[in-house]
Amino acid sequence: GQQVMQIPQYQHVQEGEDFTTYCNSSTTLSNIQWYKQRPGGHPVFLIQLVKSGEVKKQKRLTFQFGEAKKNSSLHITATQTTDVGTYFCAEENTDKLIFGTGTRLQVFP
Amino acid sequence: EAGVTQSPTHLIKTRGQQATLRCSPISGHTSVYWYQQALGLGLQFLLWYDEGEERNRGNFPPRFSGRQFPNYSSELNVNALELEDSALYLCASSFGTGFKPQHFGDGTRLSIL
Repeated sequence: GQQVMQIPQYQHVQEGEDFTTYCNSSTTLSNIQWYKQRPGGHPVFLIQLVKSGEVKKQKRLTFQFGEAKKNSSLHITATQTTDVGTYFCAEENTDKLIFGTGTRLQVFP
Repeated sequence: EAGVTQSPTHLIKTRGQQATLRCSPISGHTSVYWYQQALGLGLQFLLWYDEGEERNRGNFPPRFSGRQFPNYSSELNVNALELEDSALYLCASSFGTGFKPQHFGDGTRLSIL
């Protein structure tokens, strides 16, 4: 199926360390969304980025949209065990939402 | 506000059977989306319904079909079930069309024996 590439696929960090996941597209994006899925749960919408170079913050989470609108990143400062889960970016493509491959974050206390 | 509800929670079928999954969107949401999430994998777009019409479908065979009812609830039907159809099927809803945030239900776990 059609998917957007995300790296890394997995990331294990010690609690308190930072974490970043990157989302890369081959096409210029109109906008991008980010979701978090806890183990055994469903995806939950985090944020939407629209403007080139846009940076948005939610507490310890920083979301960035690339200047060329072809990539995006999610950075978590000082991870906590509650940050565990899989983070997905999602792009709009021909009237459907295409989800990234996801980055699974594991945080060790 | 009640969230997106899906039923059943789990469904066990055998190869060749047919499965029906149901979804009730958040009140006021007119768009319903269906996704397939195989174990440990990402979300694959299946179908999008808005105002009772199928607006788009993903790269799935025709045995995956569905409909949206006048109250905006939706059904996903999978015919001639195959082993690889085993997955979590997630339904999401959004207010209106366009690139709006999607709100997901807890999903239906479909197991094919």
